[in-house]
Amino acid sequence: DTAVSQTPKYLVTQMGNDKSIKCEQNLGHDTMYWYKQDSKKFLKIMFSYNNKELIINETVPNRFSPKSPDKAHLNLHINSLELGDSAVYFCASSQELHPQETQYFGPGTRLLVL
Amino acid sequence: AQTVTQSQPEMSVQEAETVTLSCTYDTSESDYYLFWYKQPPSRQMILVIRQEAYKQQNATENRFSVNFQKAAKSFSLKISDSQLGDAAMYFCAYRKNTGNQFYFGTGTSLTVIP
Repeated sequence: DTAVSQTPKYLVTQMGNDKSIKCEQNLGHDTMYWYKQDSKKFLKIMFSYNNKELIINETVPNRFSPKSPDKAHLNLHINSLELGDSAVYFCASSQELHPQETQYFGPGTRLLVL
Repeated sequence: AQTVTQSQPEMSVQEAETVTLSCTYDTSESDYYLFWYKQPPSRQMILVIRQEAYKQQNATENRFSVNFQKAAKSFSLKISDSQLGDAAMYFCAYRKNTGNQFYFGTGTSLTVIP
């Protein structure tokens, strides 16, 4: 069974469009994250949710809006896509009370904005 | 703020040889956790090894071991008997004993030469 899944794996779209990436984890974790990995492979935290509440919100344009309908899901909606949004987006999850545990990552979604 | 530094953007090693990837971090905490992740071309982030700061003994997982120097805030990864499948990006990460945030280094791209 896949622990953290993301859909879609690839997303090609035009500038100005709105798109969503879905993430689901079946590990029973209480914390979920979105990371952006740029072309230089830098991994940057975007958002973190704990028990459906936003706890980390780095400097990200407000065109990006995370939504957590329940603890197992954290979706990322992006409005008015720009060329600079092209990147690989990773979802991850962890358990707050188990700091010795790692984060589990999804397979990533490669977004290409044309 | 916690920062994680990987000073080697790229490294290469001959197959069957040993290579060491460096990582330093900045923290005022005494209790925390350190991780090394591998990201092969498939993009999947894979946990390689973890170290609890309260443990003096260096963690070991088969051909992978760490040299954890708490006073120096250093956490290097040693890969012995390098294999072609070890070629990947390697990320060092830090997590406090409390809270949800992971701090990642900028990564080291490892090439294994046949």
